[in-house]
Amino acid sequence: QSALTQPASVSGSPGQSITISCTGTSSDVGSHNRVSWYQQHPGKAPKLLVFDVTNRPSGVSNRFSGSKSGNTASLTISALQAEDEADYYCTSFTNTRVFYFFGTGTKVTVL
Amino acid sequence: EVQLVESGGGFIQPGGSLRLSCAASGFTFSSYEMNWLRQTPGEGLEWVSYINSGDDTTYYADSVKGRFTTSRDNAKNSLYLQMNSLRVEDTAVYYCARKLYGTTYFDYWGQGALVTVSS
Repeated sequence: QSALTQPASVSGSPGQSITISCTGTSSDVGSHNRVSWYQQHPGKAPKLLVFDVTNRPSGVSNRFSGSKSGNTASLTISALQAEDEADYYCTSFTNTRVFYFFGTGTKVTVL
Repeated sequence: EVQLVESGGGFIQPGGSLRLSCAASGFTFSSYEMNWLRQTPGEGLEWVSYINSGDDTTYYADSVKGRFTTSRDNAKNSLYLQMNSLRVEDTAVYYCARKLYGTTYFDYWGQGALVTVSS
């Protein structure tokens, strides 16, 4: 296992909801709740959106929500806005020497 | 306001060395664990190294173990990454990121420093 699998791209119209999946294995995503999500605009640093599968840091819009089922974690963006157009990455902490697996990244396009 | 500002990136030939710095402000630096991560267009995001708040425990990704050394100076609110024996595949944007003890996520990241290794 070297990376978590995410769709390369997801798109939606303003006001719609979209969901980004993050698939790992029973050894990482499926074995604990240490999954987080980051948003990255071009040329900018990643920003923490969700931690421990479902929790949002202070200041992050409640339009972003996280969930998990089995070996797949998901990030849902509701009421899509133009400013949500960015790359999104999931990550899973692991107790192996790798420490962190990152997702392959998903480019969100607002139509 | 929490700020992490990386510096020291640049162009270096394979086999060379480079030292990155990360200047922290807006929070109690000595209370946080710090990490280096890197990002390439082809390989995406990769965790590189970790150092605990007390500067006595470090961990490294296998890809950099034995070549990179992370350290910190809590008096100067600074984090460092000494990179030796650089390879072409080390070319990336390097980010410093903070992590609170007991958590498994990075709540603030710096803007990144580009390191280009090429002959």
